[in-house]
Amino acid sequence: EAQVTQNPRYLITVTGKKLTVTCSQNMNHEYMSWYRQDPGLGLRQIYYSMNVEVTDKGDVPEGYKVSRKEKRNFPLILESPSPNQTSLYFCASSSPDGRRSYNEQFFGPGTRLTVL
Amino acid sequence: AQSVTQLDSHVSVSEGTPVLLRCNYSSSYSPSLFWYVQHPNKGLQLLLKYTSAATLVKGINGFEAEFKKSETSFHLTKPSAHMSDAAEYFCVVSDPFTGGGNKLTFGTGTQLKVEL
Repeated sequence: EAQVTQNPRYLITVTGKKLTVTCSQNMNHEYMSWYRQDPGLGLRQIYYSMNVEVTDKGDVPEGYKVSRKEKRNFPLILESPSPNQTSLYFCASSSPDGRRSYNEQFFGPGTRLTVL
Repeated sequence: AQSVTQLDSHVSVSEGTPVLLRCNYSSSYSPSLFWYVQHPNKGLQLLLKYTSAATLVKGINGFEAEFKKSETSFHLTKPSAHMSDAAEYFCVVSDPFTGGGNKLTFGTGTQLKVEL
């Protein structure tokens, strides 16, 4: 089954304790992205990756890191989490067709993070 | 810069009555527009997309949306609401010049409530 998986689905941690949220897709997609969802704000892009070893900042990158060493994986790293990073996080992937037209982005199930 | 504005944060309808969720966009170029749905505690699912073909776009579950350039609108409609339509709906615009056309900008969402 074509899908995007995220782990963990739920995480409660404390301020300053490094954590990683994993994202994996099995559709051979080049493009992957991380979003955070906050009430009343919709989804905002954190980072995205066009392909292996190619990453770039989205709209709200502060406090986050990413890496793309393999095509299928795109982990989100919080080196020193703070309470304002408490949010619902989504990973997504898609496959650009090279003509700058949009292809459907497939979203993971979400990771609910609470930073105390 | 491009953006979308969802005019209603909450919409309540009776089962069997029409649904109208309003969205206005702002874009410097011909946009690609989408509607996504998020059911409680679920990920996001693409309902429909407009990519400069027909202005009336049909999606899944009986939803459709009409692209009106003169009004810069992309409202989502459904003739008859069902209880299972209760969810949050996001209007989304893509940037064709960032991320290979995959950068999405989300509206703040409209919560649809369907009552018996």
